[in-house]
Amino acid sequence: DADVTQTPRNRITKTGKRIMLECSQTKGHDRMYWYRQDPGLGLRLIYYSFDVKDINKGEISDGYSVSRQAQAKFSLSLESAIPNQTALYFCATSDWDYTDTQYFGPGTRLTVL
Amino acid sequence: QKEVEQNSGPLSVPEGAIASLNCTYSDRGSQSFFWYRQYSGKSPELIMSIYSNGDKEDGRFTAQLNKASQYVSLLIRDSQPSDSATYLCAVKLEAAGNKLTFGGGTRVLVKP
Repeated sequence: DADVTQTPRNRITKTGKRIMLECSQTKGHDRMYWYRQDPGLGLRLIYYSFDVKDINKGEISDGYSVSRQAQAKFSLSLESAIPNQTALYFCATSDWDYTDTQYFGPGTRLTVL
Repeated sequence: QKEVEQNSGPLSVPEGAIASLNCTYSDRGSQSFFWYRQYSGKSPELIMSIYSNGDKEDGRFTAQLNKASQYVSLLIRDSQPSDSATYLCAVKLEAAGNKLTFGGGTRVLVKP
């Protein structure tokens, strides 16, 4: 089984709809992250969480919210989706050690019409 | 100036040759550096991490770090068609609270 899973893998929705993307991990890591990737723009950090009670905004948090339901679960919500939120979304996890190496989930391709 | 910069490519390399990828970063205080490989539509996969000046080798991959010049590079020896992918440089920027910042990626094409 994959260490980091994301659901759904693909989603097409309409402008104004509320969308939730879910991430689960079995790596036992405390730290979890949400990124979006747009062609030519690389990966940009949306939100991150260092433990269940810690939530932090990243580079591009406007229009997004998150929930850390448990150590293993971190959800990203788009309260009212808009077309420029069409992107590939990745969840990542890392352990609290010197390396803090991040491991990525398979991604969710979101299209907002 | 972008915080982490890479040439977007594509870098076209004959099969069996060495592919050389470069990455520069803005924050002299950065301590952790990573190379990820990403196939089209897939998630980034960690190839190498490097923390000290000099070279670090892992199989056909060699990462090179020069903190004084603020660059990190990746060499792929004996390039194979399966190495065709986008390579992402990522740096934990001290100025950004040690959050991981990615470059835009270099697309590599290995031609048989």
